[in-house]
Amino acid sequence: ELKVEQNPLFLSMQEGKNYTIYCNYSTTSDRLYWYRQDPGKSLESLFVLLSNGAVKQEGRLMASLDTKARLSTLHITAAVHDLSATYFCAVVLRHGTASKLTFGTGTRLQVTL
Amino acid sequence: ETGVTQSPTHLIKTRGQQVTLRCSSQSGHNTVSWYQQALGQGPQFIFQYYREEENGRGNFPPRFSGLQFPNYSSELNVNALELDDSALYLCASSLEGGFGYEQYFGPGTRLTVT
Repeated sequence: ELKVEQNPLFLSMQEGKNYTIYCNYSTTSDRLYWYRQDPGKSLESLFVLLSNGAVKQEGRLMASLDTKARLSTLHITAAVHDLSATYFCAVVLRHGTASKLTFGTGTRLQVTL
Repeated sequence: ETGVTQSPTHLIKTRGQQVTLRCSSQSGHNTVSWYQQALGQGPQFIFQYYREEENGRGNFPPRFSGLQFPNYSSELNVNALELDDSALYLCASSLEGGFGYEQYFGPGTRLTVT
């Protein structure tokens, strides 16, 4: 059974600092998503990573994928308060004839002044 | 282009009751997946519907059932509600069974079971 683990589970960081969230998964997959979720809200898609070595950047967030190590990272550069949210990685697997997303445990990010 | 919509937004039910949640897929999408997100956890896959047929199911008991209609909208039904069914229920629509295509999430339905 696919397991997806994120660390840390909770991250408190000061504005202006850099940090990385890690996402490890246990079964081969070549498609991984990062989502943002604000309290009480739905999931907002941030990145889709499709192949080994893929790197995508949007603003202060950069995501990468290493399929051989089964590892994805979400790097935050010069954090700002607006980035405070919970971040999930999710791995796509075939489930019979369906495809399902298996989500990580989530990383709750709190950016303080 | 209309995005994924869900109704109702919030719902409060009593243990033992039955509930129906609704999802309208994004225009052109024929696949709907349902996820349950308990407080403080990541979403868990319930099942997926593709062209009106159940196309895959996660580890949820049979009292969780669904339907997909010819217009590709979908319902999630939960019978004999338990307290642990309290969660945010998310639906996501995509193309052609989902694999290789991004799933677009709706705003969710918050279900509280008392």
